[in-house]
Amino acid sequence: EAGVTQFPSHSVIEKGQTVTLRCDPISGHDNLYWYRRVMGKEIKFLLHFVKESKQDESGMPNNRFLAERTGGTYSTLKVQPAELEDSGVYFCASSQDIGDRFYYGYTFGSGTRLTVV
Amino acid sequence: QQQVKQSPQSLIVQKGGISIINCAYENTAFDYFPWYQQFPGKGPALLIAIRPDVSEKKEGRFTISFNKSAKQFSLHIMDSQPGDSATYFCAASSPFSGAGSYQLTFGKGTKLSVIP
Repeated sequence: EAGVTQFPSHSVIEKGQTVTLRCDPISGHDNLYWYRRVMGKEIKFLLHFVKESKQDESGMPNNRFLAERTGGTYSTLKVQPAELEDSGVYFCASSQDIGDRFYYGYTFGSGTRLTVV
Repeated sequence: QQQVKQSPQSLIVQKGGISIINCAYENTAFDYFPWYQQFPGKGPALLIAIRPDVSEKKEGRFTISFNKSAKQFSLHIMDSQPGDSATYFCAASSPFSGAGSYQLTFGKGTKLSVIP
């Protein structure tokens, strides 16, 4: 079974530019999550999709962040315009259904390291 | 406000020794406590998890000890090996975490180095 795929693996952009991160979850996984780890801090929840619908976006830092999930398959996270404090590692994770958390947890991708200069 | 506090930040253990990482939580609604292991360049991978109705769970060399009254849980790695060198994250979730998303609340991580 292919894992969760994220790309790019690294991105360096200038402040004010736009960046789009992509996540391909495990096929058949309805739940897709975005998390972020800022250097030295904990991994923090950004949002949760169930299929193509946003179930919970309480962790999105501000309206410069826009997440979409086309047809309930892959997801994109756009940052526009990027600020210095947006630098960090962005993780995507997927799970088959909520009940999985007790037995399988999420499957995380390798992350996208975003550096805003 | 950090809801899951993890310590130590880094840990160096001799090969064959016991690695112990501790976490404390505040939210009594948490009902699922996983530990994740992350190697450089990879995403976190579920290592072991526990529910608060048990005090201990063991899988191979990895054991979670859970103290509900103290709101603490810990990861013990027995017979630590150089291949265990990684960053370990404790986490917790609640069925009430944000609109039913069961979002995970993570600790800050512990970088474990096992030296030969």
